[in-house]
Amino acid sequence: GENVEQHPSTLSVQEGDSAVIKCTYSDSASNYFPWYKQELGKGPQLIIDIRSNVGEKKDQRIAVTLNKTAKHFSLHITETQPEDSAVYFCAAGPNAGGTSYGKLTFGQGTILTVHP
Amino acid sequence: GAVVSQHPSRVICKSGTSVKIECRSLDFQATTMFWYRQFPKQSLMLMATSNEGSKATYEQGVEKDKFLINHASLTLSTLTVTSAHPEDSSFYICSARVRGIGTIYFGEGSWLTVV
Repeated sequence: GENVEQHPSTLSVQEGDSAVIKCTYSDSASNYFPWYKQELGKGPQLIIDIRSNVGEKKDQRIAVTLNKTAKHFSLHITETQPEDSAVYFCAAGPNAGGTSYGKLTFGQGTILTVHP
Repeated sequence: GAVVSQHPSRVICKSGTSVKIECRSLDFQATTMFWYRQFPKQSLMLMATSNEGSKATYEQGVEKDKFLINHASLTLSTLTVTSAHPEDSSFYICSARVRGIGTIYFGEGSWLTVV
């Protein structure tokens, strides 16, 4: 099955700095890579996702890059703000066809703290 | 983004009773819904995959007779924790896969406390 490793487990930055979280995956059949932000006591919120037919995707201050050959993908947050503080999870999985359709494997999570 | 509603958000029940948690996709059809369990400071653990109109597929180690899953329509899946015990206390989260697009959205989660 799929195995997703996420680093770092904790990340502390100053407001305005950039934050980068990296994930690796093992199953070459995975073609869908979402990132979720989870605040305390709440469900994960989708912040950006990327599919394997593209290498990079941006949405304002958030970007995700994907290297299929190396099987790793990264989340980049620029101009961080205190409200970005949360736990971030990467995930990987097949998104088209097969018995594991849509089944995501999650990374261990990164606790991001943005200091004012 | 799309909305997935989960209810109740918090529930306390007595040991031995059953509890039902609902997961609804409010503005899209979801052919597949997923149920997760999350322990404090840990990642999400997939319990089962629920496909509309068919039996759920459970992950290894998850008791299907204890965690009953029903996906009766393209917008609703339910998880029933039967004969709940204190060790079942946890944060349960559902997610739904948007039909035709594939994006997966999560509900807000349900805190279950068994006393």
